[in-house]
Amino acid sequence: AQSVTQPDIHITVSEGASLELRCNYSYGATPYLFWYVQSPGQGLQLLLKYFSGDTLVQGIKGFEAEFKRSQSSFNLRKPSVHWSDAAEYFCAVGAGKLTFGTGTRLTIIP
Amino acid sequence: EAGVAQSPRYKIIEKRQSVAFWCNPISGHATLYWYQQILGQGPKLLIQFQNNGVVDDSQLPKDRFSAERLKGVDSTLKIQPAKLEDSAVYLCASSFGSSRAGELFFGEGSRLTVL
Repeated sequence: AQSVTQPDIHITVSEGASLELRCNYSYGATPYLFWYVQSPGQGLQLLLKYFSGDTLVQGIKGFEAEFKRSQSSFNLRKPSVHWSDAAEYFCAVGAGKLTFGTGTRLTIIP
Repeated sequence: EAGVAQSPRYKIIEKRQSVAFWCNPISGHATLYWYQQILGQGPKLLIQFQNNGVVDDSQLPKDRFSAERLKGVDSTLKIQPAKLEDSAVYLCASSFGSSRAGELFFGEGSRLTVL
């Protein structure tokens, strides 16, 4: 069975600081991996995806993620966060049928 | 390009009442999903349609939940009778299909409160 673990429930980062959100997955084959962002009262928006090839993937809003098969991880990074990045971030695995993690809530302080 | 449309955005009902949610996917998207998102949790797939056929409804509580996708376009999710634990946001999503599997486009959701 496929599963996703996001170990950090809540992260607080200063504006302008770097960010890394952790994601570990369990999947029987080569995984399709995704990061979605959810702003308050909104649906989920796709930030980036990994299907195959280059293990460092670039997404929208300056985000990137690195697939590490040996660690079963797909961590999300951003070099410098903006106040507008405050949201809930979900990692997901699967092909068609997605399994989501429980999410990491990101708070940005001035 | 118009996004995934859902209605109503908010609904408050008492337990044992019924409720229905509507979803219109992005034009041309063959696959439609209904997810349930309970507060503090990630979305959980309830049902997946490919055109107007059900692909996966293994996590749909069929004694109270039902869904249909007539003509392979818009879809309705119904709960009857509702329980307190059904309080959640119901997210509809759509995708092109297997060629871009997993790249889902979500609506803003329908928030249900059961009292």
